[in-house]
Amino acid sequence: QSALTQPRSVSGSPGQSVTISCTGTSSDVGGYNYVSWYQQHPGKAPKLMIYDVSKRPSGVPDRFSGSKSGNTASLTISGLQAEDEADYYCCSYAGSYTLGVVFGGGTKLTVL
Amino acid sequence: EVQLLESGGGLVQPGGSLRLSCAASGFTFSSYAMSWVRQAPGKGLEWVSAISGSGGSTYYADSVKGRFTISRDNSKNTLYLQMNSLRAEDTAVYYCAKDPSTVTIPYWYFDLWGRGTLVTVSS
Repeated sequence: QSALTQPRSVSGSPGQSVTISCTGTSSDVGGYNYVSWYQQHPGKAPKLMIYDVSKRPSGVPDRFSGSKSGNTASLTISGLQAEDEADYYCCSYAGSYTLGVVFGGGTKLTVL
Repeated sequence: EVQLLESGGGLVQPGGSLRLSCAASGFTFSSYAMSWVRQAPGKGLEWVSAISGSGGSTYYADSVKGRFTISRDNSKNTLYLQMNSLRAEDTAVYYCAKDPSTVTIPYWYFDLWGRGTLVTVSS
């Protein structure tokens, strides 16, 4: 399985919005609505932020939203806050033949 | 409190073996699929293996297939990862993660993570 493609870094000022892209293929991102996103602060475990492309677990602020178009999924964070600075990883089901999931390489979000 | 706690990591020589454990608490462990996900130092996340709630179905990444074995003991609320024929590229923090699926097939996302245990493969 090949890793999904994410930008290495994005940045934004407090209050602004940023979007992180996640590009795969028709065998993973494009083929299923099983994309999830994780936030990871340095030295901490990942935290689920979005699942099934656009669903938010309870407790995740509605500033976080997810979407998908074709083979590319996106995570949008609006009203940026300092505590949003972290690494973000996308993840997709990799298909009924491959089984399992594939992660993106991760995106470092810097809040300026 | 709902939590996962990994243990068993350490330094091992190439070709050696190690067994990781993940103790679950605060939820009905036997109802949920579980996975192992690893993160090499300074690198991204990589899914390693998954197991259904009953233990009857298991799944592996190609990179570990034939070398790693996932299992669980629902009477002890514990998940395991037996790692054999270890290589330098297996060096990573290994996280156990809960999948919300209560049926045979995982949902393939992870709603609870442990803090991880570090495995270092080096001579």
